[in-house]
Amino acid sequence: EDKVVQSPLSLVVHEGDTVTLNCSYEVTNFRSLLWYKQEKKAPTFLFMLTSSGIEKKSGRLSSILDKKELFSILNITATQTGDSAVYLCAVKYSGNTGKLIFGQGTTLQVKP
Amino acid sequence: DGGITQSPKYLFRKEGQNVTLSCEQNLNHDAMYWYRQDPGQGLRLIYYSQIVNDFQKGDIAEGYSVSREKKESFPLTVTSAQKNPTAFYLCASSIQQGVSYEQYFGPGTRLTVT
Repeated sequence: EDKVVQSPLSLVVHEGDTVTLNCSYEVTNFRSLLWYKQEKKAPTFLFMLTSSGIEKKSGRLSSILDKKELFSILNITATQTGDSAVYLCAVKYSGNTGKLIFGQGTTLQVKP
Repeated sequence: DGGITQSPKYLFRKEGQNVTLSCEQNLNHDAMYWYRQDPGQGLRLIYYSQIVNDFQKGDIAEGYSVSREKKESFPLTVTSAQKNPTAFYLCASSIQQGVSYEQYFGPGTRLTVT
């Protein structure tokens, strides 16, 4: 059965801390892995990863994919209270349909 | 402004009633998707459409129906056959189906059925 598993499920840190969120997957016909941030409503797109070992970076956020070990990590450095959200990992699989399978999400709370 | 709109934001219905959730996009995207989100779970795909007048079942299509008569619109009907309809429903779209295109999400509709 195809699945995507995120860990930890929840995390509480203080402003300025660095956090690492994990996403492991077992899917047939892997195509790409996506990270989204969901604050209250619509998930907003962060990164799409298709190649192993190439880090994608946007400000204080970065992500990398390991297709051999079937996982990805999302790093957030110098966390701020505005980083508090649910972070969703999703994998595109099964041909060219664009279908996504999502993990459960990691709830991050950043305290002042 | 370009984007995806969903209405209403909150919806309350009695058990046994069908209800239709609206999703409209003005991004000129070909592909549209409906997901359901329950507490502690990730998003699960209900239906998706790659082109007008065509749609496919996702992983949890039972008790739901959709139509795609116009490129910009992809309404979802939650029928009385859906056993646990209370959930947060998210609509998404992408330029095209396929590997290279990320999905953009609407703000969601929270449906409560009592």
